[in-house]
Amino acid sequence: ETGVTQSPTHLIKTRGQQVTLRCSSQSGHNTVSWYQQALGQGPQFIFQYYREEENGRGNFPPRFSGLQFPNYSSELNVNALELDDSALYLCASSLAFGQGNEQYFGPGTRLTVT
Amino acid sequence: KQEVTQIPAALSVPEGENLVLNCSFTDSAIYNLQWFRQDPGKGLTSLLLIQSSQREQTSGRLNASLDKSSGRSTLYIAASQPGDSATYLCAVSNTGNQFYFGTGTSLTVIP
Repeated sequence: ETGVTQSPTHLIKTRGQQVTLRCSSQSGHNTVSWYQQALGQGPQFIFQYYREEENGRGNFPPRFSGLQFPNYSSELNVNALELDDSALYLCASSLAFGQGNEQYFGPGTRLTVT
Repeated sequence: KQEVTQIPAALSVPEGENLVLNCSFTDSAIYNLQWFRQDPGKGLTSLLLIQSSQREQTSGRLNASLDKSSGRSTLYIAASQPGDSATYLCAVSNTGNQFYFGTGTSLTVIP
């Protein structure tokens, strides 16, 4: 059984650019959630995808968008990057409404916006 | 909106001590609660999941309890070890999808 993987590990972008982060869910999981974690804070929910459809969204602007693919992997896209977007981006997979919806997290992608 | 608070923000204890981390939440209509561990700059490792119908869960030296009516959970760590040093995060979900996190308790276990 493979765990949740994310790529890239680190990324440096310039303000105004666009970025795509990738996540492969744990084997057998059909739900992927994305979180943003600023330094010293707890993770903040961005959105969740279930069977390729958005299934809940947190308080993030539309320039944060996502996709889920038939193999349940997922992408997070952020347009028009701002300095405040610098954070650790975490992906979590789960089996929707099974096993209590326990979330399993990947190692994260550290995004720095300059 | 669900608000999650963790107290204390930081804790330093000598090796071998038993300790309790606290988590409180404002909306008691939760679906489940999950405790995580996070090492500096790393992702989150799931420790224990408590579903809304459960009162506690145990794994090795860890025991988590849940009191929905009072909006509280505790994580008990027995016989602490230096390897337990990390930030511990509590997260609750009202619907089964969106999780609300506290800001964590930073634990240091001194050898």
